[in-house]
Amino acid sequence: EAQVTQNPRYLITVTGKKLTVTCSQNMNHEYMSWYRQDPGLGLRQIYYSMNVEATDKGDVPEGYKVSRKEKRNFPLILESPSPNQTSLYFCASSLYVRQPQHFGDGTRLSIL
Amino acid sequence: RKEVEQDPGPFNVPEGATVAFNCTYSNSASQSFFWYRQDCRKEPKLLMSVYSSGNEDGRFTAQLNRASQYISLLIRDSKLSDSATYLCVSSGAVNSGYALNFGKGTSLLVTP
Repeated sequence: EAQVTQNPRYLITVTGKKLTVTCSQNMNHEYMSWYRQDPGLGLRQIYYSMNVEATDKGDVPEGYKVSRKEKRNFPLILESPSPNQTSLYFCASSLYVRQPQHFGDGTRLSIL
Repeated sequence: RKEVEQDPGPFNVPEGATVAFNCTYSNSASQSFFWYRQDCRKEPKLLMSVYSSGNEDGRFTAQLNRASQYISLLIRDSKLSDSATYLCVSSGAVNSGYALNFGKGTSLLVTP
């Protein structure tokens, strides 16, 4: 089954404790992206990747890192999480940049 | 100014009604446009792509007006299951780094 898989689905952690949210797709898509969704602010793009070893900042990259060492994986790293990063996070992928995106189920992060 | 703007609603309509949403985009270089549907706390799912010639999928019709920079979605014969938030998306503008731009969404509630 074609899918985008994110882990974990839910995480409660504390300020400053490094965490990684994994994202994997099995559709051989070139374009991958991370978003956060907050009430009243909608979906905002954090980082995106056009292909392996090609990543770029979206609208709200501060406090986040990404890497794209393999085509299928695009982890989101929070080196020193802070409470303002409490949010619902989505990973998405598409064959190319202008194609419709497939979204993962989402990761709900709470930073205390 | 946000790249994509939508009326947040909510639009409350009775079953069987026809409802239309509009969305405006600010970057005239945008190349691709989509409508996504998002149920509460779930991932966005592609509803339909929007083409310059307009396109229809069952009860749903999408149109693009490049001159006025707006996109529309028409839902005919509304069903209870159409209740959701509808997200307008523009993408593919070289001068904005190919970022995807999501509107904040329009909330639709279809009532019996």
